[in-house]
Amino acid sequence: DTEVTQTPKHLVMGMTNKKSLKCEQHMGHRAMYWYKQKAKKPPELMFVYSYEKLSINESVPSRFSPECPNSSLLNLHLHALQPEDSALYLCASSQTGFTGNTIYFGEGSWLTVV
Amino acid sequence: DQQVKQNSPSLSVQEGRISILNCDYTNSMFDYFLWYKKYPAEGPTFLISISSIKDKNEDGRFTVFLNKSAKHLSLHIVPSQPGDSAVYFCAATGGGNKLTFGTGTQLKVEL
Repeated sequence: DTEVTQTPKHLVMGMTNKKSLKCEQHMGHRAMYWYKQKAKKPPELMFVYSYEKLSINESVPSRFSPECPNSSLLNLHLHALQPEDSALYLCASSQTGFTGNTIYFGEGSWLTVV
Repeated sequence: DQQVKQNSPSLSVQEGRISILNCDYTNSMFDYFLWYKKYPAEGPTFLISISSIKDKNEDGRFTVFLNKSAKHLSLHIVPSQPGDSAVYFCAATGGGNKLTFGTGTQLKVEL
C-alpha cells in the first residue's frame, strides 16, 4: 500500500479566506512533503517535515503555513492568498528524509484563488 | 538553473514498440534517480528508481539506465501500451530527499 490521501480534491477560495489542505498517510513514513505544481511545469518543493519537525522551507511566503500534527498527518494552512497561488498542491511521503527513499505522491488538491 | 533536463517535450511511439525517454543532469551530487508518470489532474505515480552505484534497474516493462560519466539516464518501456500515454518526469536527489524534477516528456502511444 503506497497511498497518500489528500483532501479536498478541489478548493476555490477568496483572497481573504482562510482554508486548509489536508494530507494523510498510513505507511509509517517519517518524512512528509508539500509540493506545488503549475500547469505545464514540474512540481516544486515547498516544505519538508522529517520526524514531525520542519526541516526544509523553500522560502515559501508566510501566507502558506504548514503543520504536522503527528507522523501520519500533514496540513497546509492558507490565508490571504493571491490568484497566482492557484495551482495543484501535492502532498508526498517517504520512509525517511534521507536520499534513496522513494517519495510517494498523493493525487493533489486543485486550488483556485479568486 | 535547470539541474535536471528532459530535452524532448514530447515523444510519439507505436503500440508494441520501445519508448525511450531521456534525461540529463548537471549536479554531480545527485545520487538517486527516479521516474514518475503523471496523468492530467493527478499526482505523479512512482515508476522506477536507480541508485548511482548501479547502471541498470529493471521492473517488468520498465528499465532505467544510468550513465554517470555522461550524467545521463534513460527510461525504456517495452512493449509500449496505449495506457502508457502520460507525462513522464525524471527526478533526482542527493544529500537529502529533496527531489529536483525535470521538465517532463509527454509520451503518446499510438495504436
